[in-house]
Amino acid sequence: DAGVIQSPRHEVTEMGQEVTLRCKPISGHNSLFWYRQTMMRGLELLIYFNNNVPIDDSGMPEDRFSAKMPNASFSTLKIQPSEPRDSAVYFCASSLGATQLNYGYTFGSGTRLTVV
Amino acid sequence: DQQVKQNSPSLSVQEGRISILNCDYTNSMFDYFLWYKKYPAEGPTFLISISSIKDKNEDGRFTVFLNKSAKHLSLHIVPSQPGDSAVYFCAASGMRFGAGTRLTVKP
Repeated sequence: DAGVIQSPRHEVTEMGQEVTLRCKPISGHNSLFWYRQTMMRGLELLIYFNNNVPIDDSGMPEDRFSAKMPNASFSTLKIQPSEPRDSAVYFCASSLGATQLNYGYTFGSGTRLTVV
Repeated sequence: DQQVKQNSPSLSVQEGRISILNCDYTNSMFDYFLWYKKYPAEGPTFLISISSIKDKNEDGRFTVFLNKSAKHLSLHIVPSQPGDSAVYFCAASGMRFGAGTRLTVKP
């Protein structure tokens, strides 16, 4: 299994541009999570999906952020328009069920976003 | 609203000694806790977990202790090895993570 695959690994964009981050979860996993890592706040949960349906998007910082999961094997996180304060590492994670005591979530390697 | 707090951003220990990483939480409804380890340029990986019905879970050199009355858990690594140098995240009920503690183990 290739694990959770995120693309791109690095993204540099100008303020005001649209940015789309992509994630392919592990086959068979039915829960998918988007996290943002910053120095100040650590790993923040942005949104999670269960069976392709958004369950909790209370962590999405503002309307500029949107996430979709059109099918079980693909999800996107879009920022439009992007701002310098959005610069962070964005992680996607997946699991079989939202509660995983014994194995935790499987994370991708992250996308480092820099907005200049 | 930080429901999970790791108040020490960094910790440095000597190889062979014990590393103790701490985590506090605010919500008494959390029913399990996990620790993840993260190396640079990689995603976090699951390390060890504990259910709220237990007060200790051990896996090799790693032990997690849970004090529900204090809403506090800790991760003990004994003996510490240079390869343990990483950022450690505490997570509550899967989804809520702390800010992380960077552990450096010096040879």
